[in-house]
Amino acid sequence: DQQVKQNSPSLSVQEGRISILNCDYTNSMFDYFLWYKKYPAEGPTFLISISSIKDKNEDGRFTVFLNKSAKHLSLHIVPSQPGDSAVYFCAAKPPPTSGTYKYIFGTGTRLKVLA
Amino acid sequence: DVKVTQSSRYLVKRTGEKVFLECVQDMDHENMFWYRQDPGLGLRLIYFSYDVKMKEKGDIPEGYSVSREKKERFSLILESASTNQTSMYLCASSLPGDSSYNEQFFGPGTRLTVL
Repeated sequence: DQQVKQNSPSLSVQEGRISILNCDYTNSMFDYFLWYKKYPAEGPTFLISISSIKDKNEDGRFTVFLNKSAKHLSLHIVPSQPGDSAVYFCAAKPPPTSGTYKYIFGTGTRLKVLA
Repeated sequence: DVKVTQSSRYLVKRTGEKVFLECVQDMDHENMFWYRQDPGLGLRLIYFSYDVKMKEKGDIPEGYSVSREKKERFSLILESASTNQTSMYLCASSLPGDSSYNEQFFGPGTRLTVL
């Protein structure tokens, strides 16, 4: 049972345009969400996060939107650059009261930015 | 900067061999994690540890064991390697889950091939 879903395995975007990566989750108890970026042959690196008390968090070209009622978050990259080509994972964290330290990761979306 | 290192980037083993994957972090993190990454399946948690000598099973612990004798080192052991354990193995560490929401820092990964 996949609690965090990234339904698009791949996405191609022209350089300079907006990239939108989507993530859906099923557990309304998740209270913190993160996006990681992974290049081939490297470990994932943290990109941006959002707490469930917010609906938007911005960091430079990267913005994450959270729609709690729809249990949906999205990562916007504007403008997209060729160096953004990577696999993007979203992850959800249960609250501290859950007693677990596990993050639940999605299956990833491979973004290709075309020059 | 947090640094998480893994003992090997690439490893080739034979079926039935005992395999040790080592992970070391230098930021005094309490939590450490082992994941495997497979195409279409994302990051799946094998085991994690929230303290020295403490361990908990993740989502796919079968065929694996772990050891955490020192805070900075977390080892993943394949007692008898099988071909379905061919994968990318990723180690991660983080501060305690009961503190502020902490990202996980990943190592570069070990690409294990079992022949």
